[in-house]
Amino acid sequence: GAGVSQTPSNKVTEKGKYVELRCDPISGHTALYWYRQSLGQGPEFLIYFQGTGAADDSGLPNDRFFAVRPEGSVSTLKIQRTERGDSAVYLCASSFVGTGSSDTQYFGPGTRLTVL
Amino acid sequence: AQTVTQSQPEMSVQEAETVTLSCTYDTSESNYYLFWYKQPPSRQMILVIRQEAYKQQNATENRFSVNFQKAAKSFSLKISDSQLGDTAMYFCAFGNEKLTFGTGTRLTIIP
Repeated sequence: GAGVSQTPSNKVTEKGKYVELRCDPISGHTALYWYRQSLGQGPEFLIYFQGTGAADDSGLPNDRFFAVRPEGSVSTLKIQRTERGDSAVYLCASSFVGTGSSDTQYFGPGTRLTVL
Repeated sequence: AQTVTQSQPEMSVQEAETVTLSCTYDTSESNYYLFWYKQPPSRQMILVIRQEAYKQQNATENRFSVNFQKAAKSFSLKISDSQLGDTAMYFCAFGNEKLTFGTGTRLTIIP
């Protein structure tokens, strides 16, 4: 497909477990973003990549959260020792150029994470 | 700190009528972009309209238009000739790479 894809669409895990969430950006998009959307709230920025490097990770809540984008395309958000408060929808977006230019972020359908 | 305020948690309007969703924001930056995104129950965030802060002319996209008042830090969305498919959550956002979102307005179009 032509849009941003995210897998899985839903993930249920137990407190303390490790999870990985995957994002496939739009082909050719150099910038990739992760946001977290809690129930009844707007998305909150977590991290953004320009190419393979994390250009801004100021939104990651603590060191249990980590994200990679080793080849500048697919990205994985990793959460260690999950807590019930991590339950949310994790949204991924991509844009052609993430340098403060006019490029718009296009979002995927999100992964709903539930920590029991 | 950058903040976005959407003061209308819920709104409803009859089909074919016009509705305006309000948004105010706070930032010390001078160059940024503003967006309205629509989120239907499918969860997919869909871009409705975009405005560059350095442009004085208000953006329009078919039935959607904005009223951007930079000095007042206000960015409202007007939907004309509303349609049933416009029913969704609407989020106002601004920034460059790192977007700050409001808490959303749930809009219902009544047949």
